[in-house]
Amino acid sequence: LAKTTQPISMDSYEGQEVNITCSHNNIATNDYITWYQQFPSQGPRFIIQGYKTKVTNEVASLFIPADRKSSTLSLPRVSLSDTAVYYCLVGNTGTASKLTFGTGTRLQVTL
Amino acid sequence: NAGVTQTPKFQVLKTGQSMTLQCAQDMNHEYMSWYRQDPGMGLRLIHYSVGAGITDQGEVPNGYNVSRSTTEDFPLRLLSAAPSQTSVYFCASRREGNTGELFFGEGSRLTVL
Repeated sequence: LAKTTQPISMDSYEGQEVNITCSHNNIATNDYITWYQQFPSQGPRFIIQGYKTKVTNEVASLFIPADRKSSTLSLPRVSLSDTAVYYCLVGNTGTASKLTFGTGTRLQVTL
Repeated sequence: NAGVTQTPKFQVLKTGQSMTLQCAQDMNHEYMSWYRQDPGMGLRLIHYSVGAGITDQGEVPNGYNVSRSTTEDFPLRLLSAAPSQTSVYFCASRREGNTGELFFGEGSRLTVL
């Protein structure tokens, strides 16, 4: 399983763009990168997944450089409701069964 | 669709007692798993199952048993509760062979005195 490293915490003001970077130096060729969001007292919720380059959906973008050794989750114009813990996971169909969540990045958004 | 349903939401046990946390999903997912989350920590995998009749250990399996007699249900049994098992437990499911979205239940908060 690829090891991931994320900042422990980040602070932002409402309306700003937030970029959370995850390092995964030993990512395997067939690994995908997935991000989850967790609010207090709730289970994690899937945000976005990608393999390479850029993926965008209605809530976030995921940027993956050519070497795939890192990835960046971009949240445009955050609001107070985006205050949560964000987890980066790396795995493939063979390792997905044993995916675990690290401590994640705690994002605090204020006015 | 209810998604992933966990019961009970809250439980207090005394040391040495046993109990079962229930998890059910109505999405016909092959993969199901149990995690525990301690305060300020990430989620650690306890046990998982890739289909009915198949279970395997995760990162922290000691003190827990699981079974998977049906696709829908994946109960987690605490054999003899210890204070170290005080935690929030999350059940999750996903289509097997799919690296995509894990669907989580709302969690079960367990306190062992």
